[in-house]
Amino acid sequence: NAGVTQTPKFRVLKTGQSMTLLCAQDMNHEYMYWYRQDPGMGLRLIHYSVGEGTTAKGEVPDGYNVSRLKKQNFLLGLESAAPSQTSVYFCASRSYDEQFFGPGTRLTVL
Amino acid sequence: DAKTTQPTSMDCAEGRAANLPCNHSTISGNEYVYWYRQIHSQGPQYIIHGLKNNETNEMASLIITEDRKSSTLILPHATLRDTAVYYCIVRVAGWGGGNKLTFGTGTQLKVEL
Repeated sequence: NAGVTQTPKFRVLKTGQSMTLLCAQDMNHEYMYWYRQDPGMGLRLIHYSVGEGTTAKGEVPDGYNVSRLKKQNFLLGLESAAPSQTSVYFCASRSYDEQFFGPGTRLTVL
Repeated sequence: DAKTTQPTSMDCAEGRAANLPCNHSTISGNEYVYWYRQIHSQGPQYIIHGLKNNETNEMASLIITEDRKSSTLILPHATLRDTAVYYCIVRVAGWGGGNKLTFGTGTQLKVEL
């Protein structure tokens, strides 16, 4: 099993550009999450999904959109990137007791 | 979810036990204590969780006080690879409400020779 994978690993954007981050899991989990982590801080929840076709807002949803068209994939979109969105983005999926995290995507917005 | 308080940093000698404390004085009866760790630049990793009884697995032991207002994560024989940020999180068990994890800033554990 690959677990949770994230694409891409690194990306540099210019202000106003758009992009989509892909998260994939092969554990058949219903719940999936997107977090961001800024330097020296803990992870903050952006959006989450409790199943295919459903999404919900987390702690810091502004400027992001998500989609869960397939159970195994959870996409995070930035429609118009801003420098404040420079961060490391982590995806996770959840079994009953624990969340499994991906390796992260390091995004820089210039 | 209840708020947790952890020391900002701790040091431990390799081979010794690392004892990481966490205060969660406002924990509710149906909230579990979870521990995750994050090795530099990697995604967080689940370690252990418990409700009120002490728990042990291959990675660590979790000791929860009788009043459940604090807990200690014990790494019995710390190695250099245990250097990481350790997060103590309390949350309600089960599937309701998306069951979100709220991460604080954690404890930076540094294991040294």
